Amino acid sequence: EIVLTQSPGTLSLSPGERATLSCRASQSIRNNYLAWYQQKPGQAPRALIYAASSRVTGIPDRFSGSGSGTDFTLTISRLEPEDFAVYYCQQSGTIAYTFGQGTKLEI
Amino acid sequence: EMQLVESGGGLVQPGGSLRLSCAVSGFVFSDFYMDWVRQAPGTGLEWVARSGNKVSSYMTAYAASVQGRFTISRDDSKNSLYLEMNSLKTEDTAVYYCGRWNQAFDIWGQGTMVTVSS
Repeated sequence: EIVLTQSPGTLSLSPGERATLSCRASQSIRNNYLAWYQQKPGQAPRALIYAASSRVTGIPDRFSGSGSGTDFTLTISRLEPEDFAVYYCQQSGTIAYTFGQGTKLEI
Repeated sequence: EMQLVESGGGLVQPGGSLRLSCAVSGFVFSDFYMDWVRQAPGTGLEWVARSGNKVSSYMTAYAASVQGRFTISRDDSKNSLYLEMNSLKTEDTAVYYCGRWNQAFDIWGQGTMVTVSS
């Protein structure tokens, strides 16, 4: 099973700032099948990025993904108030399709 | 509007069984892989099971934590996904989401709560 480790656990920033979230895999992810999700309290997760760097339809371009192999990054270029939430990475290169433990982005 | 609606959650004793359903509308259900993902209270997301489509011969896959106890199935004629859960443990307590797989889980239901407690 591939273990995904996200850092930091909590990130404290202000609106307008840039956020950089990291996801490191215990082994290389096949074809860079790495996705990112946003989850707000009481809501289901929402997909942001798939295949490491492709934005899901309808996601603002301030969200971008990068990386390959074992190291991946989600960047939010200019934080909006609605971006404060928990973010998860998830790999689909190998069954079981594991998630990271999450990064809480707080004001 | 594309929609997933889960049902069937509730309170069950350890060792008991429960069947979850996920009703799909707004897209061609039979074209897509579908999964169950759960979230224990106050914790992160855990992938549970996958159901492939007809092209994949309806392949299935399970997390090690539920292998042998849970069974995923689908009925394309009813646009529905199911999760049969047996030998439930307290650690299975979670919100269970169904999700459409389209290179990511791009559509999610609202979730149904399963509580395993005596």
